[in-house]
Amino acid sequence: QKEVEQNSGPLSVPEGAIASLNCTYSDRGSQSFFWYRQYSGKSPELIMSIYSNGDKEDGRFTAQLNKASQYVSLLIRDSQPSDSATYLCAVRIQGAQKLVFGQGTRLTINP
Amino acid sequence: ETGVTQTPRHLVMGMTNKKSLKCEQHLGHNAMYWYKQSAKKPLELMFVYSLEERVENNSVPSRFSPECPNSSHLFLHLHTLQPEDSALYLCASSQSRDRATGELFFGEGSRLTVL
Repeated sequence: QKEVEQNSGPLSVPEGAIASLNCTYSDRGSQSFFWYRQYSGKSPELIMSIYSNGDKEDGRFTAQLNKASQYVSLLIRDSQPSDSATYLCAVRIQGAQKLVFGQGTRLTINP
Repeated sequence: ETGVTQTPRHLVMGMTNKKSLKCEQHLGHNAMYWYKQSAKKPLELMFVYSLEERVENNSVPSRFSPECPNSSHLFLHLHTLQPEDSALYLCASSQSRDRATGELFFGEGSRLTVL
């Protein structure tokens, strides 16, 4: 089982709709979870971090964490073409200074 | 000026060459990382340095040799590489404190091609 799993996509969403990105992880003791966005030809940039069960909102982005189900998601409301990118889920392995990434979900927002 | 700067941005080398990748961070962070990004594969952690001490070596072949002379600079020395080592090599930094260690700031990457 992969440590961090994401659907590689591509995920296609119409402009203005909600994009939903999902991620599961295998290490039950993990405490820190992150979403990075990577535009084509660019390096990843951190957009959200979440440490507690529930929802965390930042502008159009909402991260959701369910530790019992070992599930993290990212919702993007009012999707814009500029949101088209690959979204990487990352989990900090318990007790280690090590961040494990999923393979990323490629998101395309269609005008 | 970006917070994490990598040079060179592009590198082509033969299998018998020796080259080095350089990373410099201007964010005052105390941890630095090398990641490898290949097509259709997740980002792979290679090395972690915290306070200039190597704390993670993720089973990387010895043809990759990291060096961290101080908290602002990180090098990756390359020698006798293989074509399958062609990839984007990303440097990142973070402030190593508890769970914030996952908040990485990446450089633009060095695209390596091994002929």
